[in-house]
Amino acid sequence: GAVVSQHPSWVICKSGTSVKIECRSLDFQATTMFWYRQFPKQSLMLMATSNEGSKATYEQGVEKDKFLINHASLTLSTLTVTSAHPEDSSFYICSAKLADSYNEQFFGPGTRLTVL
Amino acid sequence: DAKTTQPPSMDCAEGRAANLPCNHSTISGNEYVYWYRQIHSQGPQYIIHGLKNNETNEMASLIITEDRKSSTLILPHATLRDTAVYYCISRGSQGNLIFGKGTKLSVKP
Repeated sequence: GAVVSQHPSWVICKSGTSVKIECRSLDFQATTMFWYRQFPKQSLMLMATSNEGSKATYEQGVEKDKFLINHASLTLSTLTVTSAHPEDSSFYICSAKLADSYNEQFFGPGTRLTVL
Repeated sequence: DAKTTQPPSMDCAEGRAANLPCNHSTISGNEYVYWYRQIHSQGPQYIIHGLKNNETNEMASLIITEDRKSSTLILPHATLRDTAVYYCISRGSQGNLIFGKGTKLSVKP
């Protein structure tokens, strides 16, 4: 089956620093990747939609200058949390949609970010 | 906002069938219904999806009512490892999946 990886699986950083999270589709090409955020005991909330070769589309309330998304290839999207604050501590999960497929979408294992 | 509603929690005895209901009376006629599950601190795992007809795969069966206003996910022989939050999901305009609060299924020995 299709596999999506994320790196790192967890990260602890100091307030004010930037953190980059990678999302890779390992055995398929993904024209579209999605970034979600999940706070404790809550559901997944879409942050942004990342399309290869174009600018990401951000959901209302998500600051594009704070959460930088780059989707430079069909197998890699990165999310950079800039000037992280404790309230950014969360579980960040990406998903990747198979190219030329409407239905197939696979999730990464998630990245636990803790900002001190 | 999520177009689906589910009970917040359910219990099931190990080895018995787990039947998880979902109401989706507002989805349109050409919208699929997807089921994913999330085990604690992991990414969601795809289970099954359907449009009109009932579907079955190695993990589960999906029964969709004729009017498409609701569906039921069936895990035929639940195991302890099936304990998870189960999401009944519709698709957003970007192609993303819209997650509601899901049903926390606890499989008990």
